[in-house]
Amino acid sequence: RKEVEQDPGPFNVPEGATVAFNCTYSNSASQSFFWYRQDCRKEPKLLMSVYSSGNEDGRFTAQLNRASQYISLLIRDSKLSDSATYLCVFDSGNTGKLIFGQGTTLQVKP
Amino acid sequence: NAGVMQNPRHLVRRRGQEARLRCSPMKGHSHVYWYRQLPEEGLKFMVYLQKENIIDESGMPKERFSAEFPKEGPSILRIQQVVRGDSAAYFCASSPSPGQAPTDTQYFGPGTRLTVL
Repeated sequence: RKEVEQDPGPFNVPEGATVAFNCTYSNSASQSFFWYRQDCRKEPKLLMSVYSSGNEDGRFTAQLNRASQYISLLIRDSKLSDSATYLCVFDSGNTGKLIFGQGTTLQVKP
Repeated sequence: NAGVMQNPRHLVRRRGQEARLRCSPMKGHSHVYWYRQLPEEGLKFMVYLQKENIIDESGMPKERFSAEFPKEGPSILRIQQVVRGDSAAYFCASSPSPGQAPTDTQYFGPGTRLTVL
């Protein structure tokens, strides 16, 4: 099983749509999970951390399923400005290094 | 509070030359991480440093690559005798804590885009 698997997309959705991304990981020792956003191969920026209980930040909802080893990101009411690549990220389980997924590209169209 | 700073932003080298990439962490952060993003690929961890110490270099190529984070000054990623395959974006990140799980947020610099001719 790959260390991390993420559907590269692209996901092409109209404004206002709801879109969901999933990401699976293989390292059961990982304890910290994040979604980062990357625009046009600029630096990744933290979108949100992902907690076991699930967490929401405005239009964004993140979920963690430890049993099945996946995390998800739900974006409601998509905006044009949401167009970006969304990176699934988690820690390696020992040192602070982060493991990045290849990213899922989202294109929101008017 | 300035963010993570990296320079140069763009660097062009010919095969066989040396490349030096610099990273200044956010104020108050003493932990630095280097990642590389090859074209059309995700970010890959290279090395994790604290002041004057290399904590984890499991992602560093065995030859030609080295990193340091001296007591004073920025962290340096050094690539000797560059080859075309070294062309990539090199991102530096910093965090305030020892990097133990659960992992503290890492803040990324704008990256250095290295092009090897």
